[in-house]
Amino acid sequence: DAKTTQPPSMDCAEGRAANLPCNHSTISGNEYVYWYRQIHSQGPQYIIHGLKNNETNEMASLIITEDRKSSTLILPHATLRDTAVYYCIVTGGGNKLTFGTGTQLKVEL
Amino acid sequence: DTGVSQDPRHKITKRGQNVTFRCDPISEHNRLYWYRQTLGQGPEFLTYFQNEAQLEKSRLLSDRFSAERPKGSFSTLEIQRTEQGDSAMYLCASSRRDIGKGYTFGSGTRLTVV
Repeated sequence: DAKTTQPPSMDCAEGRAANLPCNHSTISGNEYVYWYRQIHSQGPQYIIHGLKNNETNEMASLIITEDRKSSTLILPHATLRDTAVYYCIVTGGGNKLTFGTGTQLKVEL
Repeated sequence: DTGVSQDPRHKITKRGQNVTFRCDPISEHNRLYWYRQTLGQGPEFLTYFQNEAQLEKSRLLSDRFSAERPKGSFSTLEIQRTEQGDSAMYLCASSRRDIGKGYTFGSGTRLTVV
C-alpha cells in the first residue's frame, strides 16, 4: 500500500470548515483513499473513501486531485466533537489498513 | 447492528502472566482483524481472519501471541508470559469481504503490564 504524508496537527475554529490535506504521491491506479478518525480513548471510525472522483457523505467530503497524488478531507462545519486524530490511508482494498500517525485536529471555540 | 464489542475494556496484569481478550464482531461480517496501538502511534496490524481461517499474521505477532476464531464468530487474542512492552491498546475490527465501507472498530482493550 502507498505511503501517505499528513501534517501532525491542525487547528480549526468551531463552525468553520476544516480542510485536512494528505499527500500520497506513490498511489497506484487500483488504490483507494480512505479516511478514518480516532477520538480519544475510542477505536478508529470510518469517515469516507474514494478512488478518483470526489465523494460526499453525511460526515465529510473528499476531494482527490486529478493526478490522485493528494487529497483533502473537508469537514464543512467543524464542531468541538470533531476534535480527533484523522488518518489518511491508501489501500488496494486488501486485507489490512496501514495507519500512519495522522493529523491531530483541534477544534476550538 | 450492535457494533464491535471488546472485553475487557481495561486489563492490568503482572509481568509473566497470561491474558486473553475477546472480540465480538458485527454478526454479518466475515472478516475480523486485530490491531495494536501504542501511545502516539497509529494502530498496527497484527492478524486477520476470514471466517474461522487465520489468513495473515504480522511479524509483530511473536510466538507469545495467539489468536483464534473457532466458529467464525467471536475471536480471542491471548498473550502468554506478558512483558512490559506488551502494554498497549488492542483493537478489534470487522468488515464484510468487500471492505468498501471500511472496517468497524471496537473500543479496544487497554492492557497495562506492571
